Amino acid sequence: GAGVSQSPRYKVAKRGQDVALRCDPISGHVSLFWYQQALGQGPEFLTYFQNEAQLDKSGLPSDRFFAERPEGSVSTLKIQRTQQEDSAVYLCASSLVQTDTQYFGPGTRLTVL
Amino acid sequence: RKEVEQDPGPFNVPEGATVAFNCTYSNSASQSFFWYRQDCRKEPKLLMSVYSSGNEDGRFTAQLNRASQYISLLIRDSKLSDSATYLCVALNQAGTALIFGKGTTLSVSS
Repeated sequence: GAGVSQSPRYKVAKRGQDVALRCDPISGHVSLFWYQQALGQGPEFLTYFQNEAQLDKSGLPSDRFFAERPEGSVSTLKIQRTQQEDSAVYLCASSLVQTDTQYFGPGTRLTVL
Repeated sequence: RKEVEQDPGPFNVPEGATVAFNCTYSNSASQSFFWYRQDCRKEPKLLMSVYSSGNEDGRFTAQLNRASQYISLLIRDSKLSDSATYLCVALNQAGTALIFGKGTTLSVSS
C-alpha cells in the first residue's frame, strides 16, 4: 500500500527565497507531524495536525515557518526568506490516531545556498 | 541538556557479536518509548516499542526502567544488515510529538 509521500525530494534555494514542501499522508490517517533533521542529529519536532487543526506548533523555530493542512489530508510546510541554517531534511509523518505508530515519509532535503 | 540522550558511537562490531545501546530521558511525564532505525539517507522506521516488562523481537530486546529513566536495546548475533543508526525516542506527555535522541551508529563488519 502507499506510504507517506513527500515532494520535492530535493530542493536547493538561494538565501532569502521562499520554499513550499508537500506531504501526502497515508490515506485515512488523522494525525500528521512535521520534523526537521539536521545533519548528524535526530529529527526534531516542528508541528502537529489533527485533521485540519494545527494543535501543536511549539517546535517551529521562527515565524518564517508556517504549516497548513486545509482539508485534513495533504499538508504544506512553508519557509519564508530561507536562511542557511534552514538547510536540513524535513520529514513528514502520519499516524491513524494521535498516539499510534508514526510512519515517516522519505523527507525533503533542503539546501539553502 | 537534551530531553533524550544516547551515546552516538560509532559502535563497530563483528558479525555475530552482541551489542547494547543505552539511552536516558529527562522528562518523567513522557508517555511511551520506542527504538527507531534509520539507514543512511532514509527515513526513520519503527524497530520496536519499549515496555517496562521488557519485550523481545527475534534478536532484539528492549527494556525500559522508569525509576531510573533509562532505556536499552540489545542486539544479539549481529548481522551486516543491522548496520544503521538507532534512534531512542520518547513520546511527549501530550502525545503530540516524538522526541528523538541524536542516534547511535552501529557498523557490523564481516
